[in-house]
Amino acid sequence: DIVLTQSPATLSLSPGDRATLSCRASQNIINYLAWYQQKPGQAPRLLIYDASNRATGIPARFSGSGSGTDFTLTISSLEAEDFAVYYCQQRRFWLTFGGGTKVEI
Amino acid sequence: EVQLLESGGGLVQPGGSLRLSCAASGFTFGNYAMSWVRQVPGKGLEWVSAISASGGHTHYADSVEGGFTISRDNSKNTLHLQMDSLRAEDTAIYYCAKAPGAEVLATPGWHFDFWGRGTLVTVSS
Repeated sequence: DIVLTQSPATLSLSPGDRATLSCRASQNIINYLAWYQQKPGQAPRLLIYDASNRATGIPARFSGSGSGTDFTLTISSLEAEDFAVYYCQQRRFWLTFGGGTKVEI
Repeated sequence: EVQLLESGGGLVQPGGSLRLSCAASGFTFGNYAMSWVRQVPGKGLEWVSAISASGGHTHYADSVEGGFTISRDNSKNTLHLQMDSLRAEDTAIYYCAKAPGAEVLATPGWHFDFWGRGTLVTVSS
């Protein structure tokens, strides 16, 4: 199985800060990586697919980059509604999720 | 607007069975593959099962293979998950999720563009 390792586990930031979240794959997944946001009591929401494509309706402050084994989700300027847990997911071979990064105030 | 509404969760004893359903609306259900993904409260996400748009191909995570059966009724825009021989470790919130394409292939796989709000399954005596 392809293992995804997200870091850090928790990111403590303030509104207006830049957030940089990392996802590392145990083998080359080309660009087959998605990012999701999950708020307490809610379902996950697709933010980014295929490493760098924003999903419909996702604000431009969210961006994704990377290829191969190292990927990054960047939130350019945190807004109050961005404090949540973020998961990465690969689809290079079947699919697996990372363990998540909590972005907290 | 795409909507996915899960139902059928609840408390069941170990070894028991439960059938989850997901009612879909806002898109042409029969054109898209669908999945079930579960999450132990407070923990991460785990893909459980997937079915192609036509229903002709199904896939399962190793952890549920042989115990769970996914199916769909395209005439009723409904997805199902039959869960048999349930164990305590199957306790989780079960989400219905839509894929952006019709097929569910091993490589490349797929991501999920829409999710339901989930239904809680608790396996306990």
